[in-house]
Amino acid sequence: DSGVTQTPKHLITATGQRVTLRCSPRSGDLSVYWYQQSLDQGLQFLIQYYNGEERAKGNILERFSAQQFPDLHSELNLSSLELGDSALYFCASSVGAGDPYEQYFGPGTRLTVT
Amino acid sequence: GNSVTQMEGPVTLSEEAFLTINCTYTATGYPSLFWYVQYPGEGLQLLLKATKADDKGSNKGFEATYRKETTSFHLEKGSVQVSDSAVYFCALRGAAGNKLTFGGGTRVLVKP
Repeated sequence: DSGVTQTPKHLITATGQRVTLRCSPRSGDLSVYWYQQSLDQGLQFLIQYYNGEERAKGNILERFSAQQFPDLHSELNLSSLELGDSALYFCASSVGAGDPYEQYFGPGTRLTVT
Repeated sequence: GNSVTQMEGPVTLSEEAFLTINCTYTATGYPSLFWYVQYPGEGLQLLLKATKADDKGSNKGFEATYRKETTSFHLEKGSVQVSDSAVYFCALRGAAGNKLTFGGGTRVLVKP
């Protein structure tokens, strides 16, 4: 158990809908990262927040957005869902932002868009 | 940009066999290198890491050496067990120090 929690574990929804994925980092960690794992794209970095501020952005679609709240939990919002958004979404956390801090991964949220 | 290439699986082995998973990378500067493991139905766990050239990371019988001259970070284990069946990801963290860039993953299946 990494100490990073993600809810829900599974989510099934229809195309065009909007969903919110939640992540609680390890106690004391200030940085949160979101990754997407899909069959065709592999594991890709989406976005990073550090102490409430966006720190780095990767291959995140405009239909997706994220935020980190004052209690340091983070939410990833996915809207106008398409079939291709079906994937496993991982959250990771670390004490600081970047080197040399290790990222600890949560168990993931499996999103299925039908 | 940064990229990681690792051998495609699945790799099927018998228990106590020798395991090698090749990983090469492209990056500017001096990245840190990692191997993560994903057991069925679980998230990623850090297996080992190396932060500079010629460093050897090791954990649970697995080893990998950071080879700058060949831009490689191959994972090895001398005697695998059924419990080592998992997907293994090679990854790097570049000089900017934020995101991890992952390879495509290699599924390993160890049979008794």
